[in-house]
Amino acid sequence: DIQMTQSPSTLSASVGDRVTITCRASQSISSWLAWYQQKPGKAPNLLIYKASSLQSGVPSRFSGSGSGTEFTLTISSLQPDDFATYYCQQYNSYSPLTFGGGTKVEIK
Amino acid sequence: EVQLLESGGGLVQPGGSLRLSCAASGFTFSTYGMSWVRQAPGKGLEWVSVISGSGAGTYYADSVKGRFTISRDNSQNTLYLQMTSLRVEDTAIYYCAKAKYCSGGSCNFDYWGQGTLVTVSS
Repeated sequence: DIQMTQSPSTLSASVGDRVTITCRASQSISSWLAWYQQKPGKAPNLLIYKASSLQSGVPSRFSGSGSGTEFTLTISSLQPDDFATYYCQQYNSYSPLTFGGGTKVEIK
Repeated sequence: EVQLLESGGGLVQPGGSLRLSCAASGFTFSTYGMSWVRQAPGKGLEWVSVISGSGAGTYYADSVKGRFTISRDNSQNTLYLQMTSLRVEDTAIYYCAKAKYCSGGSCNFDYWGQGTLVTVSS
């Protein structure tokens, strides 16, 4: 199975900060990567698909980049509503889909 | 508006069985793959199973293969997960999720239910 490694596992930041989260795949997944946001007690919410495509309704301060084995999620200016846990997920064809371990974005 | 409503969770003893349901509305159910994803208390997300829109294709994580069965009733817009030989480590919130895109059983998900808690304990 393809392993997904996120870093950091926890990130402390302030409102207005630019935040970057990294996700690495154990083998190439082309651009078959999604990012989700999850708040406590809630279901995950799709932010980015196909590595860099913004899901409808998601604020433009969220962006994704990368291909192959290295990917990033960037929040250009952190807002109070963005404090949450973020997960990457690969969906490379014919490989069991897998999630990263998560990155918790906390208030500094 | 897309809605996914899970039910069927609860407390079950190790070795027991449980069937989860997910009632879907707001989209053409038979057109989309559907999945179960679980989250153990305080832990990350773990994919469990996917089923194609027609129901012809089913895929499972190794951790549940041979114990869990995913199915769907397109006439009732309902997704199911039959869980048998349950283990303590199956304790989790189980989410049903609608696939945005699937290829060979590997999907991403644009809508999720609120989840149903399964607790396996003696």
